[in-house]
Amino acid sequence: DAMVIQNPRYQVTQFGKPVTLSCSQTLNHNVMYWYQQKSSQAPKLLFHYYDKDFNNEADTPDNFQSRRPNTSFCFLDIRSPGLGDAAMYLCATSRGERAPRETQYFGPGTRLLVL
Amino acid sequence: AQKITQTQPGMFVQEKEAVTLDCTYDTSDQSYGLFWYKQPSSGEMIFLIYQGSYDEQNATEGRYSLNFQKARKSANLVISASQLGDSAMYFCAIGSGTYKYIFGTGTRLKVLA
Repeated sequence: DAMVIQNPRYQVTQFGKPVTLSCSQTLNHNVMYWYQQKSSQAPKLLFHYYDKDFNNEADTPDNFQSRRPNTSFCFLDIRSPGLGDAAMYLCATSRGERAPRETQYFGPGTRLLVL
Repeated sequence: AQKITQTQPGMFVQEKEAVTLDCTYDTSDQSYGLFWYKQPSSGEMIFLIYQGSYDEQNATEGRYSLNFQKARKSANLVISASQLGDSAMYFCAIGSGTYKYIFGTGTRLKVLA
C-alpha cells in the first residue's frame, strides 16, 4: 500500500543535542510538509517542500531545518533542541496539483522527548 | 489571515446515535478547501472528508457528511451511527493560498456504549 512512513515513532534526545527525524513516501507526491503538534494543541505547519523548493513558515524558529534529497524522503533537523521542542512531529504529503484544495496524507508521527 | 474555530473541546455521544462537530472558519480567499481529520490516541491524522469552496453539494463519505454553509462560514462534521471506534480527536482544517493549511484546536469525541 502506498503510504507515508516516519521513523522512528519515538525519539529521545538530550537538551542541545542535534536530532534528525525522517519521513518517506511511496505516493510519489510533489509536496511534503512538516508539522509540530504539542500536547492537546492543533498541528502547526513548520514548512513544506514543493519538489525541491523549500517554503518556510514565517514563525518557524531558525532551530528547525529541513532537507529533501529526493522525491521520496524528507528530513527534519532540530539543531539544538530545547525542552519546548518536545512534541509530536507529523509529516504529510499532497499531490501538488490543485492547491489549496488538495488532501494531505499524514504519516504516523514521531514523538520527540527532550531530556 | 485564515482562522479555524472549533468551540467544542469535548463531546459525548451514545453508540449508534448521530453527532455534529462544529467548525467555523475565516478567510478572505475565494478558493479554499475545508478538511476534517480524525486523530486517534496513536497520533496518526486520518483524512475523513473534504469540501471545496466552490462545491454546491455537501460532501459525504460513508458515515461522514459535511454540513457546509458558506455564507455563515461553517463546515460542521456529522457522524451518523456512531461506533466505539469513533472515539478520537477531530480536527477541522482549511487550505488556502499555496499549500498552507491551518488546523483548529480540535474536538475530543467519546462514544459511550
